[in-house]
Amino acid sequence: ETGVTQSPTHLIKTRGQQVTLRCSSQSGHNTVSWYQQALGQGPQFIFQYYREEENGRGNFPPRFSGLQFPNYSSELNVNALELDDSALYLCASGEGQNNYGYTFGSGTRLTVV
Amino acid sequence: AQSVTQLGSHVSVSEGALVLLRCNYSSSVPPYLFWYVQYPNQGLQLLLKYTSAATLVKGINGFEAEFKKSETSFHLTKPSAHMSDAAEYFCAVSAKSGYALNFGKGTSLLVTP
Repeated sequence: ETGVTQSPTHLIKTRGQQVTLRCSSQSGHNTVSWYQQALGQGPQFIFQYYREEENGRGNFPPRFSGLQFPNYSSELNVNALELDDSALYLCASGEGQNNYGYTFGSGTRLTVV
Repeated sequence: AQSVTQLGSHVSVSEGALVLLRCNYSSSVPPYLFWYVQYPNQGLQLLLKYTSAATLVKGINGFEAEFKKSETSFHLTKPSAHMSDAAEYFCAVSAKSGYALNFGKGTSLLVTP
């Protein structure tokens, strides 16, 4: 059984650019959530997908968008990058709509310069 | 809305001493509560969870937590600290199964020889 895999592990982008982060869910999981973790802070919920439909969203602007694919892998897209978007982005997958056993990936470290 | 407050951003204990990490929650409904651990440059690992069953919850690596409704607390304890316990610990709350996790700001645990 594989865990949650995120790519890339590190990324440097320039302010104003767009970025796509990817997440492969753990086998058998059909729910995926994305979190943003700024340095020295706890993770903040961005959004969640269940069976390819968004079913929850945190307090993030529309330039943060996502997709979940039929194989339940997922993408997080961020447009018009700002310096404050620099953070660790974590993906978590789960089975069904319960959060008892979310499995987190190791994250993508995004630096915006 | 659900939220958690972790008391103490840094906690230092000697190897073999009791570990106590504090978490208080605020919730308008019976909460689901979690403790996660994060090692440097890694994602989050679930230590334990409370989902309205037994109030004393046992987790991995010898950790346990007790849900106290009267005190709105969910403190994490371990009888004897190991050097390998040094990490960042996050308390999280959710309104119900399948909802987003709201994390605290984290407590950094330092274990000294």
